[in-house]
Amino acid sequence: EIVLTQSPGTLSLSPGERATLSCRASQSVSSSYLAWYQQKPGQAPRLLIYGASSRATGIPDRFSGSGSGTDFTLTISRLEPEDFAVYYCQQYGSSPPRPWTFGQGTKVEIK
Amino acid sequence: QVQLQESGPGLVKPSQTLSLTCTVSGGSISSGSYYWSWIRQPAGKGLEWIGRIYTSGSTNYNPSLKSRVTISVDTSKNQFSLKLSSVTAADTAVYYCARGVGYCSSWGQGTLVTVSS
Repeated sequence: EIVLTQSPGTLSLSPGERATLSCRASQSVSSSYLAWYQQKPGQAPRLLIYGASSRATGIPDRFSGSGSGTDFTLTISRLEPEDFAVYYCQQYGSSPPRPWTFGQGTKVEIK
Repeated sequence: QVQLQESGPGLVKPSQTLSLTCTVSGGSISSGSYYWSWIRQPAGKGLEWIGRIYTSGSTNYNPSLKSRVTISVDTSKNQFSLKLSSVTAADTAVYYCARGVGYCSSWGQGTLVTVSS
């Protein structure tokens, strides 16, 4: 099972600042099968990024993903008020079939 | 656009079996090449992947839950289901169903299941 470790646990920033979130895998994530989600209180997670760097439909271009192998990054170029939330990474390699896993989350809070 | 809706008892007694259903609308559960997943989230904690079933019917489960989990599909009702046996208080969580091709692009709103006597 691939363990994903996200850092930092909490990021305290002001609107307009840049946010950099890290997701490190315990072993290489095949074919960059790495996704990022945003979750706000009382809501289901929303897909932001898949394939490590592809934005999902309707996601603003201030969100970008990068990385490969075991190190991945989600960057929010300029934080908007609606971006303060919890962010999760997920690996979803399936060939050969293997369990999917989520990171423990990074909370982006208003400073 | 596909929509998913979880349903089932909100309260389950310890040692019993938790049973939830996800009803899919806006598309056929048997068309395309999708994974249909269950994911849960205890209050104030992170997401835990429970398992998935592929359009072909093949399943894959979280190793930590594998001995207690069964995911199945009912194509006639356009639904898929989760059964989790021998539940304890640690299984109390919001349970989500989701669809995707690995990443989960469509999610249900989630349903809270509490395990308590």
